[in-house]
Amino acid sequence: EVQLVESGGGLVKPGESLRLSCAASGFTFSTCGMTWVRQAPGKGLEWVSTISYTSDTHYAESVQGRFIISRDNAKNSVDLQMNSLRAEDTAVYYCATDGIGWSRDSWGQGTLVTVSS
Amino acid sequence: QSALTQPPSASGSPGQSVTISCTGTSSDIGGYSHVSWYQQHPGKAPKLMIYEVSKRPSGVPDRFSGSKSGNTASLTVSGLQAEDEADYYCSSYAASNKLVFGGGTKLTVL
Repeated sequence: EVQLVESGGGLVKPGESLRLSCAASGFTFSTCGMTWVRQAPGKGLEWVSTISYTSDTHYAESVQGRFIISRDNAKNSVDLQMNSLRAEDTAVYYCATDGIGWSRDSWGQGTLVTVSS
Repeated sequence: QSALTQPPSASGSPGQSVTISCTGTSSDIGGYSHVSWYQQHPGKAPKLMIYEVSKRPSGVPDRFSGSKSGNTASLTVSGLQAEDEADYYCSSYAASNKLVFGGGTKLTVL
């Protein structure tokens, strides 16, 4: 059974940094692309970033240059380093596995990031 | 990278069918067959219901079906059941290795 467990969320001030982690199990992590998707309170889903199994990275325009996605195949984990955080980055951040046809087929339960002074 | 357009709400009575639309452009929905649909119950993580426009993952009831015409994709839920009440989101590949979601539709089972 695929399990994804996010951690690292919390309350930070504007301009500060935070690092999220997603621990994966139940599948061959090294052959799977991984994605972060966020959901602001009461709002819809927003794609944030994807890292392929070959470690190619892709970012939404809203986080390009501020966020960095990385993976550690030895630890079966994917991280999201978030710098220069803004109030509009406040959201629940989900990690998800990349499925067929740009679908996201398994999701974690999410971790809440709150950016507020 | 604009969000796809979904109606904010939809509703139907138990046993009826409901269709939710998702409108994009030729740069996303119209240009690729990489349309997915997700179901999200309150406080829960999204769940993949449809991928590649019309394919169902294992375990998803065949009451859920997807289609696409031009720049618009649709999700149809047939034989509505109480547990289908949830938020539904579409997504599409949007070129240059980007992914875009719709704004979401709240489905109410009357």
